[in-house]
Amino acid sequence: DIQMTQSPSTLSASVGDRVTITCRASQSISSWLAWYQQKPGKAPKILIYKASSLESGVPSRFSGSGSGTEFTLTISSLQPDDFGTYYCQQYNSYWAFGQGTKVEIK
Amino acid sequence: QVQLVESGGGVVQPGRSLRLSCAASGFTFSSFGMHWVRQAPGRGLEWVAVIWYDGSNKIHADSVKGRFTISRDNSKNTLYLQMNSLRAEDTAVYSCAREQWLGDRGHGFDIWGQGTMVTVSS
Repeated sequence: DIQMTQSPSTLSASVGDRVTITCRASQSISSWLAWYQQKPGKAPKILIYKASSLESGVPSRFSGSGSGTEFTLTISSLQPDDFGTYYCQQYNSYWAFGQGTKVEIK
Repeated sequence: QVQLVESGGGVVQPGRSLRLSCAASGFTFSSFGMHWVRQAPGRGLEWVAVIWYDGSNKIHADSVKGRFTISRDNSKNTLYLQMNSLRAEDTAVYSCAREQWLGDRGHGFDIWGQGTMVTVSS
């Protein structure tokens, strides 16, 4: 099974900061990776698919990059509404999520 | 509007069974692969099972294989998860999700339900 590992587990940043979350796969998943945002008590929302494709309706401050085993989600200028937990998900071989990264606004 | 609504959760004793349902509306249910994902209290997301758009193929996570069965009724626009031999570690919010299909393959899950809570406790 493919294991997904995210870092950091938690991050605290100020409005306007550039924020980067890393996701590593235990083996190559090509570009078959998605990113989700989840707010407390709410369903996850897809942000990025195929590692770098922005889902329709998602603000352009969100971007994804990477291929193979290492991927990043970047928020170019953190906004108050961006708090929540972010998950990566591989869909190269079955499906698996990372453990999540909690983003807090300072 | 496009919507998924889960039902069937509750409190159940270890070893007992429960069947979850996920009612779909606002889209052509029979055209999409569907998944179950669960989230234990305070924990992350765990993929549980998938069923192809026509029900021709099903895959279950190792953690539930042999105990849970995913199924669907396209005439009723409904997805199911039959959960047998429940354990305390199955306690979680169970959500159904639609697989986003772009081009010739799936790309993540674009529509999610709000989930139904399953608590396994004596």
